[in-house]
Amino acid sequence: GAGVSQSPSNKVTEKGKDVELRCDPISGHTALYWYRQRLGQGLEFLIYFQGNSAPDKSGLPSDRFSAERTGESVSTLTIQRTQQEDSAVYLCASSSTIASPLHFGNGTRLTVT
Amino acid sequence: AQSVTQPDIHITVSEGASLELRCNYSYGATPYLFWYVQSPGQGLQLLLKYFSGDTLVQGIKGFEAEFKRSQSSFNLRKPSVHWSDAAEYFCAVGGTAAGNKLTFGGGTRVLVKP
Repeated sequence: GAGVSQSPSNKVTEKGKDVELRCDPISGHTALYWYRQRLGQGLEFLIYFQGNSAPDKSGLPSDRFSAERTGESVSTLTIQRTQQEDSAVYLCASSSTIASPLHFGNGTRLTVT
Repeated sequence: AQSVTQPDIHITVSEGASLELRCNYSYGATPYLFWYVQSPGQGLQLLLKYFSGDTLVQGIKGFEAEFKRSQSSFNLRKPSVHWSDAAEYFCAVGGTAAGNKLTFGGGTRVLVKP
């Protein structure tokens, strides 16, 4: 596809379960970001991958959160033992080079019941 | 550390009136600055960006923004607002000093009155 693709678009899970969110960036984009947006809030940085460099994990809120990226392709964000405060829209974005604008996916809306 | 402040959480403006959204940033080097818009039920869309050169940048949908280094500001303006401009607007800062990691402000929600 032409844009950043995220799946699933919606996910409802029970508290304590693990969830995995997927992001397919635009082909050739070296940079990939995950952000979280709680209802009515701004974008909270989670993690950033740039090429083969070590990812910047400084935004991950706890050790229940982790993310992986294989080369310059798909990324998965995993949340273990979900809590109700994890409910949010998780946005993925990619860019082609340093200083290029971000292209955002439509997000995954996660609801933890 | 880099940061972005959008002082106005909500702004209400009449259709046809002018709009200005404030953005102040903190960054230790030459910043790259962006404005994104998030319309209801839609993803984030880039309005405009500043990297270097002319400090007044033009974007899509009739928006413009002015970079003022002395004030660490990058305010967004539109001369005449349309009802379709009702949305949430986010300012962001990044740059090579931060490996291009973008930091976003908390957003300003714009409501347009008929």
